[in-house]
Amino acid sequence: GEDVEQSLFLSVREGDSSVINCTYTDSSSTYLYWYKQEPGAGLQLLTYIFSNMDMKQDQRLTVLLNKKDKHLSLRIADTQTGDSAIYFCAESASQGNLIFGKGTKLSVKP
Amino acid sequence: DADVTQTPRNRITKTGKRIMLECSQTKGHDRMYWYRQDPGLGLRLIYYSFDVKDINKGEISDGYSVSRQAQAKFSLSLESAIPNQTALYFCATSERGGPYEQYFGPGTRLTVT
Repeated sequence: GEDVEQSLFLSVREGDSSVINCTYTDSSSTYLYWYKQEPGAGLQLLTYIFSNMDMKQDQRLTVLLNKKDKHLSLRIADTQTGDSAIYFCAESASQGNLIFGKGTKLSVKP
Repeated sequence: DADVTQTPRNRITKTGKRIMLECSQTKGHDRMYWYRQDPGLGLRLIYYSFDVKDINKGEISDGYSVSRQAQAKFSLSLESAIPNQTALYFCATSERGGPYEQYFGPGTRLTVT
């Protein structure tokens, strides 16, 4: 069935780049997404990428999609303490529902 | 004002009690969703509704029921709450067509004692 996998934790130093990785199983997914959840808050859409794209850049965020390997990554340049949060990868599934990974907790050390 | 609101934000209830969580949206979206979030398990879909007359079970619907009272309102009920329903509950909305991005409410933290 459909599944989205991502590592649970990532720790980086302030100013470094963060790379959060995700793998998915449904090769027919039309869209892939990255969401951010700050403590005590709901999920906020960061960005999404259409499946026929390889890369999407938005300010400090770069999304890379390797459709052959079903691998999605989110790179955050110049990571700040305010980027500390849980990041969820998701894929679009049948009927437009989303399948979410378990989330990667990013800790940024000063 | 927030586009997706949830009430209550926090609730403590006892085993066996009936409880309703409410969700309202001003985004004009047709689709609405209920998820629960547990540490280490991510988000799991409980129920979803594509319009007022179209309600579907998600991955973990047992022990829950829903009502779509209007396009803007979608409520989740626990008929007889049990402790393993202690979790963070999120409502979300999306448009009918792609890219299907979902917009989340702030969540309801439910504790069942």
